[in-house]
Amino acid sequence: QKEVEQNSGPLSVPEGAIASLNCTYSDRGSQSFFWYRQYSGKSPELIMFIYSNGDKEDGRFTAQLNKASQYVSLLIRDSQPSDSATYLCAVSGGGNKLTFGTGTQLKVEL
Amino acid sequence: EPEVTQTPSHQVTQMGQEVILRCVPISNHLYFYWYRQILGQKVEFLVSFYNNEISEKSEIFDDQFSVERPDGSNFTLKIRSTKLEDSAMYFCASSRTQSQETQYFGPGTRLLVL
Repeated sequence: QKEVEQNSGPLSVPEGAIASLNCTYSDRGSQSFFWYRQYSGKSPELIMFIYSNGDKEDGRFTAQLNKASQYVSLLIRDSQPSDSATYLCAVSGGGNKLTFGTGTQLKVEL
Repeated sequence: EPEVTQTPSHQVTQMGQEVILRCVPISNHLYFYWYRQILGQKVEFLVSFYNNEISEKSEIFDDQFSVERPDGSNFTLKIRSTKLEDSAMYFCASSRTQSQETQYFGPGTRLLVL
């Protein structure tokens, strides 16, 4: 059973702080890693993807991948109240399907 | 910006009835997917579809489920005889290619089986 694990939270950070979201996965053959944001009652919205070990930055977001440790993370700098949502880690083995974690609820407080 | 669309946004049905959920993927995308999310639970893969046939399906996707691309734009999910436990949000997604390619999700259909 291929698993993706996330801390369900809630993770509370003050406005302007850095939020750090973590994800581990069980399948060593996983090749593609995605972070989606999901507001309550809405569909997953892509934030970032990463395929190679290391860091990838896009605006306020940085994804980090460590395949040896089977670990992927998302950093959100200068967190805003509008960033309050559930962040879903999803993993693909190069085939079709995405395997999702349960998501981490982020709350950015004023 | 092109997006995946889904209809209806909400569907209420009686147990045992058939439902068809509809999706229009992004126009130049070749791979299509259905996922579901039971309230409070994780997003779960149901099925992927390419070149007019199923390329992968999960254990959830049993004989009660079927998918079809009836024309050049629509992609449908049919549940033949709905059960209470089919109540969930159903998301359609599409991607341009298969490998290392982002899947874009539609807004979802909320299905409630009574």
